[in-house]
Amino acid sequence: KQEVTQIPAALSVPEGENLVLNCSFTDSAIYNLQWFRQDPGKGLTSLLLIQSSQREQTSGRLNASLDKSSGRSTLYIAASQPGDSATYLCAVLNQAGTALIFGKGTTLSVSS
Amino acid sequence: SAVISQKPSRDICQRGTSLTIQCQVDSQVTMMFWYRQQPGQSLTLIATANQGSEATYESGFVIDKFPISRPNLTFSTLTVSNMSPEDSSIYLCSGQTGTAKNIQYFGAGTRLSVL
Repeated sequence: KQEVTQIPAALSVPEGENLVLNCSFTDSAIYNLQWFRQDPGKGLTSLLLIQSSQREQTSGRLNASLDKSSGRSTLYIAASQPGDSATYLCAVLNQAGTALIFGKGTTLSVSS
Repeated sequence: SAVISQKPSRDICQRGTSLTIQCQVDSQVTMMFWYRQQPGQSLTLIATANQGSEATYESGFVIDKFPISRPNLTFSTLTVSNMSPEDSSIYLCSGQTGTAKNIQYFGAGTRLSVL
């Protein structure tokens, strides 16, 4: 059974710092991996999607990498801002494309 | 990106009653899913909503408690039946595009409190 783990569970940083969020998964047979952002009491916003054949994706200050063989992904946030404060969720889509399995998330707080 | 509309956005219900949540997606979506997010937890898949047939439920979720309909390609409902305080959660609908990327998009969720 696929399990997704995110470390750390919470992170507090001052504005301007670069930071890395980690995600690991137990079954490397995935279709893709998505990083989401969730603001308190809100739904999910898709940030980046990496196909199983890809190594990384970039969007603005965000960069996500994928090492499928070792079951790991990282989300790199450059020059963090208070507006980046949210919970970041990592999720893997199974190979059949029918089930998205989520980690418990990393709650990020960026202070000004 | 696909547009996922969900309602109600929140509700407070009495124990023993039922609530039906509606989800409308745009035409890019082929697959629809329902998730539950209990307080302080991550998302757990309840079921895949199948058009015109019974939903496919994940382990631990049953049709009697969470009946799901999907009468057409772009609309689905989830009913939370005979509610108890343990059902207090955020319920989210998602739609997955039919492209090779298989991206899932999420609605804003329904925040349910059961008294």
